[in-house]
Amino acid sequence: QKEVEQDPGPLSVPEGAIVSLNCTYSNSAFQYFMWYRQYSRKGPELLMYTYSSGNKEDGRFTAQVDKSSKYISLFIRDSQPSDSATYLCAARAGTASKLTFGTGTRLQVTL
Amino acid sequence: DAGITQSPRHKVTETGTPVTLRCHQTENHRYMYWYRQDPGHGLRLIHYSYGVKDTDKGEVSDGYSVSRSKTEDFLLTLESATSSQTSVYFCAISEEKGRETQYFGPGTRLLVL
Repeated sequence: QKEVEQDPGPLSVPEGAIVSLNCTYSNSAFQYFMWYRQYSRKGPELLMYTYSSGNKEDGRFTAQVDKSSKYISLFIRDSQPSDSATYLCAARAGTASKLTFGTGTRLQVTL
Repeated sequence: DAGITQSPRHKVTETGTPVTLRCHQTENHRYMYWYRQDPGHGLRLIHYSYGVKDTDKGEVSDGYSVSRSKTEDFLLTLESATSSQTSVYFCAISEEKGRETQYFGPGTRLLVL
């Protein structure tokens, strides 16, 4: 079993929809959680970073961590075609430990 | 791409040949990482460096070696390339403080025939 699981998609939504992207993890020691966005043939770019449980909002993006259920979510409001990309979740236990990635969910926002 | 360049960006090579990929950063970050990305596996850590001449293995280090003689450069060498090393290779960097966040380069696409 992978430490971070993510549905590969693809997930197709119409422009303007609210998108929910999710990951589950198995390592209780994970404290730091990240979402990366990766456009086709590009490197991943850091989108959101959260520490421990709770919500973090940045513009149209909200990251949510529920440590009790080991669930990580990214919500995108008013989705745009430019949001079409692969979204990777990642987690790590502490600053000295390695980053563990999910396999990514491919999102397509259609006009 | 956070001041990170990778070279070459694309390479085709033959089985058994050595290959060296270069990562160069202009951010003066202490930590540098090499990952490979494959369908169904996501990003997997090959090697990382926590300073000049200080390196350590990741989860998929067999068949790879690294060197870091300067803060800004981190080299990944495939000692004798195999078809299973066909992949996209990404370099990443992170600061001393806030190592939980890593910033990635544009990637190198490697095809081993």
